[in-house]
Amino acid sequence: GDSVTQMEGPVTLSEEAFLTINCTYTATGYPSLFWYVQYPGEGLQLLLKATKADDKGSNKGFEATYRKETTSFHLEKGSVQVSDSAVYFCALSGGNSGGGADGLTFGKGTHLIIQP
Amino acid sequence: KAGVTQTPRYLIKTRGQQVTLSCSPISGHRSVSWYQQTPGQGLQFLFEYFSETQRNKGNFPGRFSGRQFSNSRSEMNVSTLELGDSALYLCASSPRGDFSYNEQFFGPGTRLTVL
Repeated sequence: GDSVTQMEGPVTLSEEAFLTINCTYTATGYPSLFWYVQYPGEGLQLLLKATKADDKGSNKGFEATYRKETTSFHLEKGSVQVSDSAVYFCALSGGNSGGGADGLTFGKGTHLIIQP
Repeated sequence: KAGVTQTPRYLIKTRGQQVTLSCSPISGHRSVSWYQQTPGQGLQFLFEYFSETQRNKGNFPGRFSGRQFSNSRSEMNVSTLELGDSALYLCASSPRGDFSYNEQFFGPGTRLTVL
């Protein structure tokens, strides 16, 4: 079945540092790829998405490029802020999850901590 | 527009009991999905409903079931609770459920603790 692998962290950075959170996936077919963010005590929010190879998703200074050749969708931000502290989930949809399921398949999540 | 609401927010049950969780989607959304979030397994897809029909189901035992009403509100039920069912249960709604092109909006979740 489909799977998503991402670094779990916690990842601790100083404010204004460059951020990369790696995400690789395994899927049949042509999945769409997503990054979700979860702030403490809240549900998940869609951060960005890409629906086909070489697409770049971007939002709030975050970017990720759908790389089919390396099956990756790494999240990047040039200068992080304390308010970016949260848990980030990489996810895919549209692959074959097995058992007839076609919901989102999530990675385990990366806890990001930004220190002032 | 009001967001996805889930009730109750917190729930404590004992082993062997059953529980029903409720989700009200964003107005106009017809697709509702449920996910289980645990520290060990992460986020796992339970099932998805669209126009009162279950279209997709994840790899969970039959103790987990759900339904959707004509107003798109959804409930999920877990029977014969086990300690391992302790988790945050998230509901998400989408206009039509094609997740590649229709964003899923998540509720804050229901925290279930099984003692």
